[in-house]
Amino acid sequence: DQQVKQNSPSLSVQEGRISILNCDYTNSMFDYFLWYKKYPAEGPTFLISISSIKDKNEDGRFTVFLNKSAKHLSLHIVPSQPGDSAVYFCAASNQNFNKFYFGSGTKLNVKP
Amino acid sequence: DAGVIQSPRHEVTEMGQEVTLRCKPISGHNSLFWYRQTMMRGLELLIYFNNNVPIDDSGMPEDRFSAKMPNASFSTLKIQPSEPRDSAVYFCASSSQGGGTVNTEAFFGQGTRLTVV
Repeated sequence: DQQVKQNSPSLSVQEGRISILNCDYTNSMFDYFLWYKKYPAEGPTFLISISSIKDKNEDGRFTVFLNKSAKHLSLHIVPSQPGDSAVYFCAASNQNFNKFYFGSGTKLNVKP
Repeated sequence: DAGVIQSPRHEVTEMGQEVTLRCKPISGHNSLFWYRQTMMRGLELLIYFNNNVPIDDSGMPEDRFSAKMPNASFSTLKIQPSEPRDSAVYFCASSSQGGGTVNTEAFFGQGTRLTVV
């Protein structure tokens, strides 16, 4: 059973608007969460992360929100740009084992 | 640093043949991960090593899959015999276990696209 889930396989957003990508997890032992971005024919690249002691982390146009009680996190991209079009993977890690669990990914398409 | 290096980038092989995927992690990183990307399950963790020792191989799908890390700069993932359902993109990633309880992100290679016909 997948411990990290991304229930939306795809998302389409107009350039300049906000993109919101969602992720749910089941293991309450996770305490470090990450978002990766993946272009075709390339490996995933790290985008932004958040520790479980925080509920928000912001880096430029990217903000990750964490709701521990709901075991839910989201990535907000604002404003969205066509270059943001990629597959976004949510990941979770347990500090004790330094092991990363990934969701199935959400393909974001930002239309010009 | 050149990042995580995987070879080959593409591999096409016939069913029943042995396939070996290779990975060179980032120098200084002490954790190495093998992932398989499929449409249905996204990135699945197959196995990970810490300080060259396999820590958890519970994600390895079958005994046909095996992985080794003979030293800190090299790892292999072997499939023998290969089957068409093994066709996927296989990623290697490495990370450094930070001081104290701080984790760091994993850095991924470009992947090996395996096609078993």
